[in-house]
Amino acid sequence: DAGVTQSPTHLIKTRGQQVTLRCSPKSGHDTVSWYQQALGQGPQFIFQYYEEEERQRGNFPDRFSGHQFPNYSSELNVNALLLGDSALYLCASSLGQGKRGNSPLHFGNGTRLTVT
Amino acid sequence: AQSVTQLDSHVSVSEGTPVLLRCNYSSSYSPSLFWYVQHPNKGLQLLLKYTSAATLVKGINGFEAEFKKSETSFHLTKPSAHMSDAAEYFCVVSEPGGYNKLIFGAGTRLAVHP
Repeated sequence: DAGVTQSPTHLIKTRGQQVTLRCSPKSGHDTVSWYQQALGQGPQFIFQYYEEEERQRGNFPDRFSGHQFPNYSSELNVNALLLGDSALYLCASSLGQGKRGNSPLHFGNGTRLTVT
Repeated sequence: AQSVTQLDSHVSVSEGTPVLLRCNYSSSYSPSLFWYVQHPNKGLQLLLKYTSAATLVKGINGFEAEFKKSETSFHLTKPSAHMSDAAEYFCVVSEPGGYNKLIFGAGTRLAVHP
């Protein structure tokens, strides 16, 4: 049973560029959430996708956008990259938006983004 | 607004001695609380969760946490540390209505010495 998989594992970009990160949820899960973890900090919620729509959003600018596909996989896009966007980006999946008590989040290993 | 405060950024223990990682929370609602662990270059793994059932919650790998409403605390403990316990630990509270929008503490780095 595959868990949450993310690609790529590492990425280096230049300021001003755009980046796309990908996530495949755990088998049987239909909801994907994205988190940003800056160095030395706890993860921060970016947004959640369910039924191919953004359902919740954290305090992140519009440069951060996403998409969910019919097979429940998801992409995170960041435009006009800033140095401060350097972080570990974590994808997490769950069932039914996590509203069911027995469906906590399962996290992937993350994508390490470095912006130079 | 909900938040968690982890009282120690670093904790160092000897192998075989008890572990205590401290967490205080702030919530307007009856909170759902979690502890997650993150090993280097790995994602987050759920250790345990509290969801208004028993106040003493048992998790994986011998960890447990006690919810104390009067003290707004949710401290994580383990009777005997193992070298493999060395990692970053996060105390987490969830927004009402689901487990997806988690609010993480800043983390406590646990070092275990032989």
